[in-house]
Amino acid sequence: TQLLEQSPQFLSIQEGENLTVYCNSSSVFSSLQWYRQEPGEGPVLLVTVVTGGEVKKLKRLTFQFGDARKDSSLHITAAQPGDTGLYLCAGSNTGNQFYFGTGTSLTVIP
Amino acid sequence: GAGVSQSPSNKVTEKGKDVELRCDPISGHTALYWYRQSLGQGLEFLIYFQGNSAPDKSGLPSDRFSAERTGGSVSTLTIQRTQQEDSAVYLCASSLQGPRLNTEAFFGQGTRLTVV
Repeated sequence: TQLLEQSPQFLSIQEGENLTVYCNSSSVFSSLQWYRQEPGEGPVLLVTVVTGGEVKKLKRLTFQFGDARKDSSLHITAAQPGDTGLYLCAGSNTGNQFYFGTGTSLTVIP
Repeated sequence: GAGVSQSPSNKVTEKGKDVELRCDPISGHTALYWYRQSLGQGLEFLIYFQGNSAPDKSGLPSDRFSAERTGGSVSTLTIQRTQQEDSAVYLCASSLQGPRLNTEAFFGQGTRLTVV
């Protein structure tokens, strides 16, 4: 079993604050994806990182893939209520599936 | 189609009944996946299709669960003799290639199954 542990599991912050979500594993992944899921919807792909040490920015969101390709982080600057949702990381390597993390539920309070 | 489509969106069934859940993947995507998600939790892998074959069925929780894919496109997940613990959101995803090739998975909106 290739586990991806996310932390924190729950996060409630005020609008305008910054936050970081972590995704950690003991396994090496060839690529890692981040998704956001809103209630009643399927996960929506935010970004894919494939190179160790890679950093990608998507407006106020910054994604980093660890040098050893075992971990990743998502940093949100000046969070807004529209950022509220369940954030999921997912890794792929030699297996037949995308291995999903345990999820981080983010609530941004106006 | 433009995205992954699942039907029905919601299904309420009585314990012991059989249900069929349908997934229409993105056109041209060879890989298709079924996952299950319990309330507010992460995703539990069920099965992976490459074309019409299923090289990985390791996530199916019991022999009451089966899935097929026809024409390299539509997939059906069947749950026989449903139990209350089967209640969950069933998510389908597709990708252009298999997961070993740094591809990206796109999800449908899910089917919320409630067994009463």
